Amino acid sequence: DTAVSQTPKYLVTQMGNDKSIKCEQNLGHDTMYWYKQDSKKFLKIMFSYNNKELIINETVPNRFSPKSPDKAHLNLHINSLELGDSAVYFCASSPVGVWETQYFGPGTRLLVL
Amino acid sequence: TQLLEQSPQFLSIQEGENLTVYCNSSSVFSSLQWYRQEPGEGPVLLVTVVTGGEVKKLKRLTFQFGDARKDSSLHITAAQPGDTGLYLCAGAGDSNYQLIWGAGTKLIIKP
Repeated sequence: DTAVSQTPKYLVTQMGNDKSIKCEQNLGHDTMYWYKQDSKKFLKIMFSYNNKELIINETVPNRFSPKSPDKAHLNLHINSLELGDSAVYFCASSPVGVWETQYFGPGTRLLVL
Repeated sequence: TQLLEQSPQFLSIQEGENLTVYCNSSSVFSSLQWYRQEPGEGPVLLVTVVTGGEVKKLKRLTFQFGDARKDSSLHITAAQPGDTGLYLCAGAGDSNYQLIWGAGTKLIIKP
């Protein structure tokens, strides 16, 4: 069983469209994260959720809206996609906090044309 | 603002050589993690160092946490093509829910 899963793996879309990425973890972890990895491979935190509550929101445009319906899911909705949104988006989870191992999903490769 | 500077950004060496990757900061971290990321996949944890001066070994990989808990290094002995990947360091600092990430070291080991 995959510990942290993301769908879709690839997403190609036109500028201005709205898209969603789904994430699920079956590890029973309390904390989930969304990261953006750009073409230079820098991993940047976007959001952290602990027990469905938003903890960290790191200067992300409000076109990005995370939603955590329950502890095991953290979805990311993006409105009005822009060219600069093209990147790989990773979902991750950890038992409680960042001092513990973060388990990453396989990533969603988003290309905005 | 806490920062982690990782060096070198890119390293390409022959199989059998040794190498060291550095992760430096002016800030103190409660712990520091090293991850490896292979193409098309998410990062996977290699090791966590917690105590100042701590040394951990994972086969041919040796990880060290600085005495003051501001820096760390990863040394690979007799590198092999299977070591190829992106190595990332990440520090647990002021926030319980946000790691501070280095920019990564892309390592290529040529047969």
